[in-house]
Amino acid sequence: AQSVAQPEDQVNVAEGNPLTVKCTYSVSGNPYLFWYVQYPNRGLQFLLKYITGDNLVKGSYGFEAEFNKSQTSFHLKKPSALVSDSALYFCAVREIKAAGNKLTFGGGTRVLVKP
Amino acid sequence: NAGVMQNPRHLVRRRGQEARLRCSPMKGHSHVYWYRQLPEEGLKFMVYLQKENIIDESGMPKERFSAEFPKEGPSILRIQQVVRGDSAAYFCASSMRQGYTEAFFGQGTRLTVV
Repeated sequence: AQSVAQPEDQVNVAEGNPLTVKCTYSVSGNPYLFWYVQYPNRGLQFLLKYITGDNLVKGSYGFEAEFNKSQTSFHLKKPSALVSDSALYFCAVREIKAAGNKLTFGGGTRVLVKP
Repeated sequence: NAGVMQNPRHLVRRRGQEARLRCSPMKGHSHVYWYRQLPEEGLKFMVYLQKENIIDESGMPKERFSAEFPKEGPSILRIQQVVRGDSAAYFCASSMRQGYTEAFFGQGTRLTVV
């Protein structure tokens, strides 16, 4: 069975500082990996995905993520955080051979960017 | 191009009533997924449907919950005889096809059982 762990419930960072949100995964085969962001009382917005190819994936709003197969990690990063980046971030994994786009989500990490 | 549309946005039901949640996928999308989010938790997969077919319902509770995606019209998640523990946000997502394309999420229906 596949699983995703987001070890930090909350990350606090000052505006302008780098932001990292951690994610590790477990699948039996090769993974498809995703990051989504959720603002209060809203649905999930897609940020980026890793399918194959370059380990560094660039996504929306200046976010990027690095796939590390040996560490089974897919950490989300932003070089300079904005107050508007404060939200709930979810990492998700889908096993390549699985049917459809059934995703397994981590528990989420709340990001608070202080001015 | 409208995104995934869910209605109602908020739904209040008394214990024992039925809740019906609707989801219209993005135009051109024929795959629909339902997820449940309990307060302060991540999303849990419930069911995956294609038109007129349930592909994977491994996350659905065995009783009181059902889902459909008819040939015409939205996908419906139906919860019979609701209990307080059913209170949650229910999200629908859709994708164009199998494979690696990302799923797009609706804004969710927040069900409160009183």
